[in-house]
Amino acid sequence: GAVVSQHPSWVICKSGTSVKIECRSLDFQATTMFWYRQFPKQSLMLMATSNEGSKATYEQGVEKDKFLINHASLTLSTLTVTSAHPEDSSFYICSASGVGETQYFGPGTRLLVL
Amino acid sequence: AQRVTQPEKLLSVFKGAPVELKCNYSYSGSPELFWYVQYSRQRLQLLLRHISRESIKGFTADLNKGETSFHLKKPFAQEEDSAMYYCALQGGSYIPTFGRGTSLIVHP
Repeated sequence: GAVVSQHPSWVICKSGTSVKIECRSLDFQATTMFWYRQFPKQSLMLMATSNEGSKATYEQGVEKDKFLINHASLTLSTLTVTSAHPEDSSFYICSASGVGETQYFGPGTRLLVL
Repeated sequence: AQRVTQPEKLLSVFKGAPVELKCNYSYSGSPELFWYVQYSRQRLQLLLRHISRESIKGFTADLNKGETSFHLKKPFAQEEDSAMYYCALQGGSYIPTFGRGTSLIVHP
């Protein structure tokens, strides 16, 4: 089946630094990639939707200057958390899909900002 | 606006008992509905989607447009079914909306 990878799987950084998370579709071309945030014991909160070659569409309440998303190719999307603060600590999950197709999820990236 | 409601945060049953995880949705058009499952320490994965009308791991789900529901059912729960289950909806824009999830615990 389709596989989506995320890198890194976990990251610890100091407050004020920026962190980049990569999401790759390994054996299929992903027209659309989604970025989610998951708090402990809570559901997935969709942050943004990115289509290859175009600007990401952010959900209400998600700061686009804070969470920079780039979808440069059909197999790679990146999420950069800029000037990270402790409240940005969370579990970030990406998913990838073709047009109208099933989403395939990455394993997630745990971010801890000290 | 599209919305997915999973009323039960936790569902606890004994092995061999029937299971029903509830999902209700709100959407003005014709939605596509999914159930995703997340086993302990694993990534989220698709369990089934309503257009496939499949039975996966003994689970079935029927879309009831009249009741706007997509409940997940299994006649005899197994211990390995213990996991978090998320109901999700995709509308015409393919933007997904997830329910808050139901934690299923199957006791031996």
